Amino acid sequence: DAGVIQSPRHEVTEMGQEVTLRCKPISGHNSLFWYRQTMMRGLELLIYFNNNVPIDDSGMPEDRFSAKMPNASFSTLKIQPSEPRDSAVYFCASSLGSGRAHEQFFGPGTRLTVL
Amino acid sequence: AQSVAQPEDQVNVAEGNPLTVKCTYSVSGNPYLFWYVQYPNRGLQFLLKYITGDNLVKGSYGFEAEFNKSQTSFHLKKPSALVSDSALYFCAVRGSQTGANNLFFGTGTRLTVIP
Repeated sequence: DAGVIQSPRHEVTEMGQEVTLRCKPISGHNSLFWYRQTMMRGLELLIYFNNNVPIDDSGMPEDRFSAKMPNASFSTLKIQPSEPRDSAVYFCASSLGSGRAHEQFFGPGTRLTVL
Repeated sequence: AQSVAQPEDQVNVAEGNPLTVKCTYSVSGNPYLFWYVQYPNRGLQFLLKYITGDNLVKGSYGFEAEFNKSQTSFHLKKPSALVSDSALYFCAVRGSQTGANNLFFGTGTRLTVIP
């Protein structure tokens, strides 16, 4: 299995631009999670989906952030407009089932720099 | 409320010596506990988990962790450290309440194994 795939691996953009991060979960996994990691705040859960349905988006910082999961094999996290404080590493993770015993498998992350 | 505390930001240990990375947790109901490792510029990688049963859990790369309910701890251990174990380690917890599917991560402990 290829694991969780994220693209792009690195993104440098200017303030005000739209940014779209992409994630392909592990085949057969039905829960998907978006995290953000920064030195100051550590690892933060932004949103998670179960069976393509958003379950908890309370971690989404503000309306500039949106996430979609149109099907079981693809999810996007969009920031519009982007700001310098959005600079972070964004991770996507997936897990088999929605049970609490299931561990999450993380992608390699997208390092976002907003100038 | 669920939370995880990793009291040490940094742990240094000599190669060949035993290592311990500490974790304490607070959760409603029975805890589901996880350890992850993050190597530079990589996503988090699952090491081991405690769900129920034997308090001593064995995981990848020779790591193990001991669940202690009375002390609400789940310390990560390894009998003999390798230089390649140097990385950032995260403890995570999930409660058993209905709907509590997301993981709460600690702030991480940076382990450095000195040759």
